[in-house]
Amino acid sequence: SQKIEQNSEALNIQEGKTATLTCNYTNYSPAYLQWYRQDPGRGPVFLLLIRENEKEKRKERLKVTFDTTLKQSLFHITASQPADSATYLCALDIRMDSSYKLIFGSGTRLLVRP
Amino acid sequence: DTEVTQTPKHLVMGMTNKKSLKCEQHMGHRAMYWYKQKAKKPPELMFVYSYEKLSINESVPSRFSPECPNSSLLNLHLHALQPEDSALYLCASSQLNTGELFFGEGSRLTVL
Repeated sequence: SQKIEQNSEALNIQEGKTATLTCNYTNYSPAYLQWYRQDPGRGPVFLLLIRENEKEKRKERLKVTFDTTLKQSLFHITASQPADSATYLCALDIRMDSSYKLIFGSGTRLLVRP
Repeated sequence: DTEVTQTPKHLVMGMTNKKSLKCEQHMGHRAMYWYKQKAKKPPELMFVYSYEKLSINESVPSRFSPECPNSSLLNLHLHALQPEDSALYLCASSQLNTGELFFGEGSRLTVL
């Protein structure tokens, strides 16, 4: 069966450290993989998209890697800050004939302690 | 601030009521989506509209009826819902080929 799993339900780190979140998937062949941030009671906000032929993407303190052989993406936040505390969702972009759908992983709640 | 607007923000309804959730975007996006999200769970896709036509229905019960009157508006009509349908309903939009979804803040639905 198809699955998207994020390594841990919650991750607790000290301010200034690098947070690393993992997304693993099975029985999918996505063309793209995306990461979103969601704060409590709010809609998800897009962070980064990485294509199947890209190994790494960066945006400010964020870095995403995508290994289609391992079927895994890693999401890094460097120099983490308490304001980075949120739930982070990976999502697989499944292309179809005239549209596409985004299927979300279970999410990881990140808490950055001051 | 999000550019996808959802109304109402909160809705309480009985199992025999008929109500609608509304979503509006003015970014010129030609794809629109409904997701359902239960507490501490990820968003779950319900419907996708492309060019105002329903392109994906994820086997959603018929008590949920989507409608896309034009390229800026998306409705979700609700009828004879069950208490387990209580959730946050999220609308999103995107350009068809870029991938990034823009989400609204959601409508929190409670079914009594």
